[in-house]
Amino acid sequence: GESVGLHLPTLSVQEGDNSIINCAYSNSASDYFIWYKQESGKGPQFIIDIRSNMDKRQGQRVTVLLNKTVKHLSLQIAATQPGDSAVYFCAENTNDYKLSFGAGTTVTVRA
Amino acid sequence: SQTIHQWPATLVQPVGSPLSLECTVEGTSNPNLYWYRQAAGRGLQLLFYSVGIGQISSEVPQNLSASRPQDRQFILSSKKLLLSDSGFYLCAWSHRTAGYTFGSGTRLTVV
Repeated sequence: GESVGLHLPTLSVQEGDNSIINCAYSNSASDYFIWYKQESGKGPQFIIDIRSNMDKRQGQRVTVLLNKTVKHLSLQIAATQPGDSAVYFCAENTNDYKLSFGAGTTVTVRA
Repeated sequence: SQTIHQWPATLVQPVGSPLSLECTVEGTSNPNLYWYRQAAGRGLQLLFYSVGIGQISSEVPQNLSASRPQDRQFILSSKKLLLSDSGFYLCAWSHRTAGYTFGSGTRLTVV
């Protein structure tokens, strides 16, 4: 669901390490999920998506895992770089018109 | 390719003044259009969405309104701004069952 009024959780990771960002979604009928990255002062950018008929999808340095049993979504970033510092949002498609966004996680990469 | 334009990038307005933010989409037809607001350090709050010309759905009752005078134009307005209207406003478009593409955002400060 939406995150109005909630402070965003944070994740601090050492440069070169792998990052794992977790998200719990609310609607068991959701069939499409997306991860977005938002850098400071910019609009969110698409990272990777996954349909509910899959449990894993890989992109360039990123992997999304979907566990429908517990309604959990995760984003793994391999070899985290300073440019990966941003806020990451998961989103679920709850109907044909609207995405429902998670609370967001602020990722800070330490040099 | 599809592009989304949102302006202005920043705006400082006095309390009680009107507001008009514009968003246009190019390279697609009959998109779903959305206005989101993001307070500092917070997640995304859906304000309005539109599935067609003249069709506006409001998610949160408030001091704002939206209009869609043309297929690829979405306008966010207010007759009298409040301090609480300050935030980062994002326009987005999508087609059904697909993810959003966001604009670059407008930083509104009401003083």
